[in-house]
Amino acid sequence: SQTIHQWPATLVQPVGSPLSLECTVEGTSNPNLYWYRQAAGRGLQLLFYSVGIGQISSEVPQNLSASRPQDRQFILSSKKLLLSDSGFYLCAWRSDRGNTEAFFGQGTRLTVV
Amino acid sequence: DAKTTQPNSMESNEEEPVHLPCNHSTISGTDYIHWYRQLPSQGPEYVIHGLTSNVNNRMASLAIAEDRKSSTLILHRATLRDAAVYYCILRDGDYQLIWGAGTKLIIKP
Repeated sequence: SQTIHQWPATLVQPVGSPLSLECTVEGTSNPNLYWYRQAAGRGLQLLFYSVGIGQISSEVPQNLSASRPQDRQFILSSKKLLLSDSGFYLCAWRSDRGNTEAFFGQGTRLTVV
Repeated sequence: DAKTTQPNSMESNEEEPVHLPCNHSTISGTDYIHWYRQLPSQGPEYVIHGLTSNVNNRMASLAIAEDRKSSTLILHRATLRDAAVYYCILRDGDYQLIWGAGTKLIIKP
């Protein structure tokens, strides 16, 4: 069966510090991968998605970047965090075949102080 | 981009059916309607999806209007564990899901 791992679960970082959130998927190959951010009480905002190694599409211009160094690894990064980067970050994967559901990780609660 | 409209919140009694509405008046012919739910501080969980015909699974039923401009998620017998935020989402293109604000479902014992 397929599983998705996202870590860490919570993170407190000072303004100006770098960020690296990692997401890995097991039990499937060539998944479509997504990074979302969710503000308190709001819906999910798609940040990045990837359909293959090294292929990244950005939805919202921001202080963040994403990379996909391996088929089942998706990394969200920032060189210098801003206060506005605080939020709940979610990684998700979906099969590249047909219209299927997305599977989400448990999320990372990021607080920039 | 197609968007969805849902009530901010709804209340229901335990053991009773719940009908969660969603309007998507600008849906395109190829957009699938997906429903997810999210518990506090957790990732969303898939519930059901459909294109034109009504759909049933072990979690819920999805009723889609004939003109596809609205849909209703039906929980046949709500339990306290069904309390969550429910999102109605349209699949836009091959890779993206556009998320609305969702409906907070409150279940009263």
